[in-house]
Amino acid sequence: GAGVSQSPSNKVTEKGKDVELRCDPISGHTALYWYRQRLGQGLEFLIYFQGNSAPDKSGLPSDRFSAERTGESVSTLTIQRTQQEDSAVYLCASSLGGIGEKLFFGSGTQLSVL
Amino acid sequence: AQSVTQPDIHITVSEGASLELRCNYSYGATPYLFWYVQSPGQGLQLLLKYFSGDTLVQGIKGFEAEFKRSQSSFNLRKPSVHWSDAAEYFCAVDGGFKTIFGAGTRLFVKA
Repeated sequence: GAGVSQSPSNKVTEKGKDVELRCDPISGHTALYWYRQRLGQGLEFLIYFQGNSAPDKSGLPSDRFSAERTGESVSTLTIQRTQQEDSAVYLCASSLGGIGEKLFFGSGTQLSVL
Repeated sequence: AQSVTQPDIHITVSEGASLELRCNYSYGATPYLFWYVQSPGQGLQLLLKYFSGDTLVQGIKGFEAEFKRSQSSFNLRKPSVHWSDAAEYFCAVDGGFKTIFGAGTRLFVKA
């Protein structure tokens, strides 16, 4: 597609439920990133993929968080047993994959855990 | 490990006044440095980036940034701020396939 697409744009869930967030990167972009942005805060790195492998998972906050990517395409971020502190905007970005490449961001998924 | 510090959480400037947003980075070598802007209701957009060459980098919307190796800084500047520049500005560093962002500086523009 023309840009990075994320779905859903908004998700309201109850504490303890699992959620799955989806990201469609720009076609041809080998690198894909997930960030979390809590209200009024900066971007917190979660994980990045080069192709379908994840060389760096250091940002995942806990083992409730996991992510996968199919080839150089769609990625899903799964949060199990959601907690209220998981409420945030989850941003996905993609790039051509080289060092220093510009990131193209999606509009994000606003997750609210009640 | 690479890191980015933006010392100012928010800054207020008058329309037409000059602007400087501070950014300090930590990395063993010279990394790629970026400034992104997040406007209300819009996604993050790249303003400019630096890796090598001229230490003064020009970006979109009249912004520029200067890389100072001795100070590990990459401050963003604009000579004359417009009301539409009100947004959140993020400095970022990429030292090896991972882009790390600072906490951001929110710019308020007063008439």
